[in-house]
Amino acid sequence: GAVVSQHPSWVICKSGTSVKIECRSLDFQATTMFWYRQFPKQSLMLMATSNEGSKATYEQGVEKDKFLINHASLTLSTLTVTSAHPEDSSFYICSVNTRGQPQHFGDGTRLSIL
Amino acid sequence: DQQVKQNSPSLSVQEGRISILNCDYTNSMFDYFLWYKKYPAEGPTFLISISSIKDKNEDGRFTVFLNKSAKHLSLHIVPSQPGDSAVYFCAASAWGGGGADGLTFGKGTHLIIQP
Repeated sequence: GAVVSQHPSWVICKSGTSVKIECRSLDFQATTMFWYRQFPKQSLMLMATSNEGSKATYEQGVEKDKFLINHASLTLSTLTVTSAHPEDSSFYICSVNTRGQPQHFGDGTRLSIL
Repeated sequence: DQQVKQNSPSLSVQEGRISILNCDYTNSMFDYFLWYKKYPAEGPTFLISISSIKDKNEDGRFTVFLNKSAKHLSLHIVPSQPGDSAVYFCAASAWGGGGADGLTFGKGTHLIIQP
């Protein structure tokens, strides 16, 4: 069964809208979750590391004020794309770190900004 | 610069034959490598991994080989089955694989198994 649940799976919205994506760890408590982004024909690129109870760690080139991450509980991390523009259209996917085990991924969110 | 490279965007193999997917890396700090399989509209699913202290790991039809001196790894699938048709991603980590570090991915290889 699914270990990581990501919602919504697909979002279409107007430019300037803020969009929230949820990532839930279903079977265990996750102190660390990761957010990735994938553009067409490109690899999954790590955007940020979400740490429960503390600030997220962002990769170089990722705007922390644009991609707000909240990891308020051990089973939920959210990514909010603020004031989204067409260039933010992408496939966003989260993963959960389980100590000693490979990362488990959600099914991703297809974000389309018109 | 791409630290993990999968130079073949696609690969077509006949059912029953061996599929070999290749991956090269440039970062000497990587010490744990993973292969993920991805179907359209789904997230990547973990397939098999290998630590840098090994040169081979086998799990059923899947075998991963690691050549540290060449910074090269490969995934062998034998025999190939129609359900193996998917995009395969090579990924690497510098924290032993189970740590709090994100993964670095290649661009993926689309494997097509022909009947």
